[in-house]
Amino acid sequence: QKEVEQNSGPLSVPEGAIASLNCTYSDRGSQSFFWYRQYSGKSPELIMFIYSNGDKEDGRFTAQLNKASQYVSLLIRDSQPSDSATYLCAVNRSGATNKLIFGTGTLLAIQP
Amino acid sequence: EAQVTQNPRYLITVTGKKLTVTCSQNMNHEYMSWYRQDPGLGLRQIYYSMNVEVTDKGDVPEGYKVSRKEKRNFPLILESPSPNQTSLYFCASLAGDRDTQYFGPGTRLTVL
Repeated sequence: QKEVEQNSGPLSVPEGAIASLNCTYSDRGSQSFFWYRQYSGKSPELIMFIYSNGDKEDGRFTAQLNKASQYVSLLIRDSQPSDSATYLCAVNRSGATNKLIFGTGTLLAIQP
Repeated sequence: EAQVTQNPRYLITVTGKKLTVTCSQNMNHEYMSWYRQDPGLGLRQIYYSMNVEVTDKGDVPEGYKVSRKEKRNFPLILESPSPNQTSLYFCASLAGDRDTQYFGPGTRLTVL
């Protein structure tokens, strides 16, 4: 079992719709959860981080965390073509807050 | 402007020829890290450094060396590169516990 799992996609979403990206993790002691966006050939950039169970909203983005189910998701409302990218889920290893484990990413394609 | 810089951005070399990829950050961050990114495998940590003269292995350290003589610089050294080290390399830094990781622009390395 991979430490952080994501569906590789591609996930195709019509422009203006809600894109839902999912991630599961295996380390029950993980405390910090991050979503990065990566355009092709570019470096990852942080979109959201979440530390507590529940929802966290920032503009069009909402991160959701359920530690009991070891599940974290990212919702993108009113999807735009510029949201087309690979989204990386990252989780810290328990006992090592600076040590992130990345999923392989989900390719999101927004259809105009 | 806060940034992480890497050089070179692109490098083609031959097996066994020693090379160094430089990484520098201007944010006075204590923690720096090197990752490699490969299709289907995601971002994997090679080495990290908690502060000057403090380094430790990540998940895939074989074939790599690092040094941290100054806070701002964290070079990655390949003493004898092999074709399986062909990859996209990212340097990252963060200020402290649970902070955002800032990624450099990446170095695409090809070893023939």
